[in-house]
Amino acid sequence: KQEVTQIPAALSVPEGENLVLNCSFTDSAIYNLQWFRQDPGKGLTSLLLIQSSQREQTSGRLNASLDKSSGRSTLYIAASQPGDSATYLCAVRYNFNKFYFGSGTKLNVKP
Amino acid sequence: DADVTQTPRNRITKTGKRIMLECSQTKGHDRMYWYRQDPGLGLRLIYYSFDVKDINKGEISDGYSVSRQAQAKFSLSLESAIPNQTALYFCATSEHTRDKTMGEQFFGPGTRLTVL
Repeated sequence: KQEVTQIPAALSVPEGENLVLNCSFTDSAIYNLQWFRQDPGKGLTSLLLIQSSQREQTSGRLNASLDKSSGRSTLYIAASQPGDSATYLCAVRYNFNKFYFGSGTKLNVKP
Repeated sequence: DADVTQTPRNRITKTGKRIMLECSQTKGHDRMYWYRQDPGLGLRLIYYSFDVKDINKGEISDGYSVSRQAQAKFSLSLESAIPNQTALYFCATSEHTRDKTMGEQFFGPGTRLTVL
């Protein structure tokens, strides 16, 4: 069974700090990996999508990397802000229409 | 206006009742999905649809049924709700792609369902 793990489950940092969120998966035969943020009481907002042939994707202060051989992806957030506080989820697509989600990392950026 | 909408946003019901959750999208995507989210378990796929004529079971389809009324509408039904179906339900869409690169998924705001 494919599994997706996110560590740590929660993270608290002071404003301005650079930080890294981790996502690991057991099966390297993925199609793509997607990072989302979820705000309390709201849906998931797509942040970055990395196809299996790509090594990284960037959007503003966010950079996501993918290393299929080691079964890992990282989401790097530069110069964190209180508005970045949310739960961050990674989701791995293993076949045509199956997404497996991690349980998320809850990020708190303190002013 | 939101691209993926869900109604209702919150629902409280009793055991044994029939419930329908609705999803509409204006993104023009062929593919639609229903997920449920439970604390500590992440999101799990209930059903997915490639197009109006193609509906498939996901990881946890027991106790649920779906209807794809049109390209833009995908409904999830609980024929006889039970308490362990209390969860946050999300609808999502993705674009059809010709090659093996899979489209990005876009999520609705969710429906919080409580079964007493």
